[in-house]
Amino acid sequence: DTAVSQTPKYLVTQMGNDKSIKCEQNLGHDTMYWYKQDSKKFLKIMFSYNNKELIINETVPNRFSPKSPDKAHLNLHINSLELGDSAVYFCASSQVKDRGSTDTQYFGPGTRLTVL
Amino acid sequence: QKEVEQDPGPLSVPEGAIVSLNCTYSNSAFQYFMWYRQYSRKGPELLMYTYSSGNKEDGRFTAQVDKSSKYISLFIRDSQPSDSATYLCAMSGDSGGGADGLTFGKGTHLIIQP
Repeated sequence: DTAVSQTPKYLVTQMGNDKSIKCEQNLGHDTMYWYKQDSKKFLKIMFSYNNKELIINETVPNRFSPKSPDKAHLNLHINSLELGDSAVYFCASSQVKDRGSTDTQYFGPGTRLTVL
Repeated sequence: QKEVEQDPGPLSVPEGAIVSLNCTYSNSAFQYFMWYRQYSRKGPELLMYTYSSGNKEDGRFTAQVDKSSKYISLFIRDSQPSDSATYLCAMSGDSGGGADGLTFGKGTHLIIQP
């Protein structure tokens, strides 16, 4: 079984459209993330959710909005798509422990978004 | 200056060679240091992580952290063609990456020639 899954795998759309990317994890983790990997392969955190609460929100345009219907899902909605949004978007999950410890972040296979 | 610097390569070495991959960073608050491997068109997968300074060995892989120099390394012994991938260093503060997410380097593209 896939631990972290994303749909769709590929998404090609026109500028100005609104689109969503879905993410599901079956690991029982309590924290999920969205990362963006640009054409130069630079991977940058966008959001993380813990128990349905947004923990961090980097300098991401408000056209991007994460939605978590439950602990196992974190979907990414993007409004008014722009050319610069073209990238690969990765979902990840982890089990956050107390301070002083860490845990593995498991990544999904990625969604390759192309905005024309 | 970016928080994490990593040479993107490509780095091409013959099979069986010892590979050395490195990252430098500027944020002294980083406590957890990780190496991820990413194959083409796949998600990153964790190879190793280290807390604070020190060495950690796992099979053919050794991770080293020198916090005084803000420098981390990953060594791959007896490199194999299947090791060809992009290697990303990642780090986080005291929360262990849970609340803050991970800060990644740009990744080094490694090619092991048969």
